[in-house]
Amino acid sequence: QVQLVQSGSELKKPGASVKVSCKASGYTFSSYAMNWVRQAPGQGLEWMGWINTNTGNPTYAQGFTGRFVFSLDTSVTTAYLEISSLKAEDTAFYYCARDPGGVTHWFDPWGQGTLVTVSP
Amino acid sequence: QSVLTQPPSTSGTPGQRVTISCSGSSSNIGINTVNWYQQLPGTAPKVLIYSNNQRPSGVPDRFSGSKSGTSASLAISGLQSEDEADYYCAAWDDSLNGWVFGGGTKLTVL
Repeated sequence: QVQLVQSGSELKKPGASVKVSCKASGYTFSSYAMNWVRQAPGQGLEWMGWINTNTGNPTYAQGFTGRFVFSLDTSVTTAYLEISSLKAEDTAFYYCARDPGGVTHWFDPWGQGTLVTVSP
Repeated sequence: QSVLTQPPSTSGTPGQRVTISCSGSSSNIGINTVNWYQQLPGTAPKVLIYSNNQRPSGVPDRFSGSKSGTSASLAISGLQSEDEADYYCAAWDDSLNGWVFGGGTKLTVL
């Protein structure tokens, strides 16, 4: 079945970097875009952007430029989110989500989420 | 401040029908389709309704979606205790060139 499995929780100090992985299985990885969504503790969902899994071209939402990098390793059907110069406000769950759409688009499935905690 | 506006909370009793509204604008809901996501406590979101009113396989027909103008609604009939969750609407915004979400609605089953 189509599945996205993310890496485990991370505890980082301010100023450090973190790399979250999202392993895809059950479908042709390069045929569907991958999105990233952030959810701060107790808050709503915020779209971070997406990466074209065929070309590797990333698109970042407003507010997610500079310190956020989307990348791929197609040989292992995995998408990555790297955040540098971590700040306390980066503490959140980060989800990857596939876009299965053609004419219209939505997110399905979602990864289980990766909690990144930034604390001294 | 979310681009799409949802009520923060709603509630109902088992068997009741509840609706959750999602208000947007001409740059998002007015010209693009709406998706709804359900987030059960402690879990990742999952798609409930896509393309305004389409249910993925496995989603009970108790859940239905509709859209009119710049607003959309999610209806849940025959409310069950396992429906207690957060519900989010989402749509592509042509002005922002990105996906926008509602702030989420917490459904409590009394």
